Amino acid sequence: EVQLVESGGGLVQPGRSLKLSCAASGFTFSNYYMAWVRQAPKKGLEWVATISTSGSRTYYPDSVKGRFTISRDNAKSSLYLQMNSLKSEDTATYYCARQYTYFDYWGQGVMVTVSS
Amino acid sequence: DVVMTQTPVSLSVSLGGQVSISCRSSQSLVHNNGNTYLSWYLQKPGQSPQLLIYKVSNRFSGISDRFSGSGSGTDFTLKISRVEPDDLGVYYCGQGTQYPPYTFGAGTKLELK
Repeated sequence: EVQLVESGGGLVQPGRSLKLSCAASGFTFSNYYMAWVRQAPKKGLEWVATISTSGSRTYYPDSVKGRFTISRDNAKSSLYLQMNSLKSEDTATYYCARQYTYFDYWGQGVMVTVSS
Repeated sequence: DVVMTQTPVSLSVSLGGQVSISCRSSQSLVHNNGNTYLSWYLQKPGQSPQLLIYKVSNRFSGISDRFSGSGSGTDFTLKISRVEPDDLGVYYCGQGTQYPPYTFGAGTKLELK
């Protein structure tokens, strides 16, 4: 059974940093692109970042480019999202997801609140 | 960026009824390789999104045949027949053709009448 379990969320002040983790199991992690998708409170879904199987290629929307960094450790079947210079508009639930040209498995999500 | 427009914003249905949700893209979703990467997701209350349909009309593993996807180019539809209580929630379309960025529609909330 595919499982994705996020961790690392919490309350953080504007301008500070936070690192999210996602532990994957039930599939060969190194064979899949992985992504982060977020959802602001009462809002829709927003793609945040994607990483290739080896980690050599990463992709971001303009809203987070230069502030967020996606990475992975295939030996640990783990995905990460380093979030720097956080803004109030980054407040959201962050989902880890397995990616093809769609997202077929999602984690339960982790809440990040950016507030002073 | 490709803008995905879903209609209606919300929908009321009786159990056992049928509904359709429309999703339109601002650009053609036909990839250079001939595939169309339009997918549908359902987010049930308090849960993570789940994949229903990929590449316009392919049902994901374990998804009931009451769900069907159709369309081409820029116009797509999700149909749900014989609606059950477990079908309620917010439906999103998403495109992976003109990527990055991957973009989603704003969502359609399905409620009981």
